[in-house]
Amino acid sequence: EAQVTQNPRYLITVTGKKLTVTCSQNMNHEYMSWYRQDPGLGLRQIYYSMNVEVTDKGDVPEGYKVSRKEKRNFPLILESPSPNQTSLYFCASSPDRGLSQNSGANVLTFGAGSRLTVL
Amino acid sequence: AQTVTQSQPEMSVQEAETVTLSCTYDTSESDYYLFWYKQPPSRQMILVIRQEAYKQQNATENRFSVNFQKAAKSFSLKISDSQLGDAAMYFCAYRSDQGAQKLVFGQGTRLTINP
Repeated sequence: EAQVTQNPRYLITVTGKKLTVTCSQNMNHEYMSWYRQDPGLGLRQIYYSMNVEVTDKGDVPEGYKVSRKEKRNFPLILESPSPNQTSLYFCASSPDRGLSQNSGANVLTFGAGSRLTVL
Repeated sequence: AQTVTQSQPEMSVQEAETVTLSCTYDTSESDYYLFWYKQPPSRQMILVIRQEAYKQQNATENRFSVNFQKAAKSFSLKISDSQLGDAAMYFCAYRSDQGAQKLVFGQGTRLTINP
């Protein structure tokens, strides 16, 4: 089944304890991104990657790192988590980087979400 | 920067009736894409419908349709014959035709279906 898989789905941690949320897609998609969802704010993009070894900041990158060493994987790293990073996180992927004329049909496929609580 | 506004934090409707969710956006671009996503209690993000700005015809997917008013920068979602399974958070989203595939989301509208 074509899907985006995130782990863990739920995590409670403490301030300062490094953690990684993994994201893997089995659709050979070029484009991957991370969003966080907070009440009243909708979803906001953290980082994105248009291909292997190519990553860039989204709207709220502070406190996060990413890497794209393989096409299928795009982990989100919180080096020193803080309570304001308590949120619901989504990984998403798309076959196209969005730069072609007809890329509007390429819709993001989202993972199931990871609920993170930082105490 | 583009912004998307959903002014209705919560809506409710009787089962089998019709409900309209509002969305407005701000952009200086002429080509872009608009989406409605559904997020049920499972938290999964499910694409409901999408609209290309260059198309004048409003998109329709079964019981879901949109009213796209480009000049007014409005993109409302109409759900006909509401069903209990339609209860969810609904997000409106904008995507530019330029650059990478970043979605700009509205704040969301929580829809309740009353039996």
